[in-house]
Amino acid sequence: SQKIEQNSEALNIQEGKTATLTCNYTNYSPAYLQWYRQDPGRGPVFLLLIRENEKEKRKERLKVTFDTTLKQSLFHITASQPADSATYLCALEGGTASKLTFGTGTRLQVTL
Amino acid sequence: GAVVSQHPSWVICKSGTSVKIECRSLDFQATTMFWYRQFPKQSLMLMATSNEGSKATYEQGVEKDKFLINHASLTLSTLTVTSAHPEDSSFYICSGGSMGQGHSRQFFGPGTRLTVL
Repeated sequence: SQKIEQNSEALNIQEGKTATLTCNYTNYSPAYLQWYRQDPGRGPVFLLLIRENEKEKRKERLKVTFDTTLKQSLFHITASQPADSATYLCALEGGTASKLTFGTGTRLQVTL
Repeated sequence: GAVVSQHPSWVICKSGTSVKIECRSLDFQATTMFWYRQFPKQSLMLMATSNEGSKATYEQGVEKDKFLINHASLTLSTLTVTSAHPEDSSFYICSGGSMGQGHSRQFFGPGTRLTVL
């Protein structure tokens, strides 16, 4: 069965460091992979999308890589700030109906 | 950016009653709307996909007679939880979708917290 795993339930890092979050998937061939941010009690907010034929995508302090051979995406936040503290979700899109399948999420805590 | 609203933001009801949740796309037309459910510390699970003017497509394991979805216009979809029970307590999130450059772009609402007593 299809499975999407995000490396850890929680990640604690110090302000200014780079946070790296991992998204691994099995039994899936996504055409696109998306990353979202979700704050407690709120809906997800879109951050970045990367296509299957793209290796890397950047947006300000965010960087996403996509390795279809390893079936893995890495999400980096450089120069992290306490305001980056949230849960980050990866979501795969593929097949019909444009459905997104979400990973379990990683809760990032950035401390001073 | 595209904005999706949900109403109510939270609701508490007694077991056996029905609850309706509205999802509106405020500044764009959503030909497709998606309904998700999220239990504490878990990810979003897709419940159903609805297209304007047609019947919703439910995911496996989701009871269509219990979770009634109406997508009457390009800016409004409703989810009615019928005969709600405590196990239906969850965070319900909708999204409005559009296709852009070949991929799905979904804009999520703020969610509705349902508590069934």
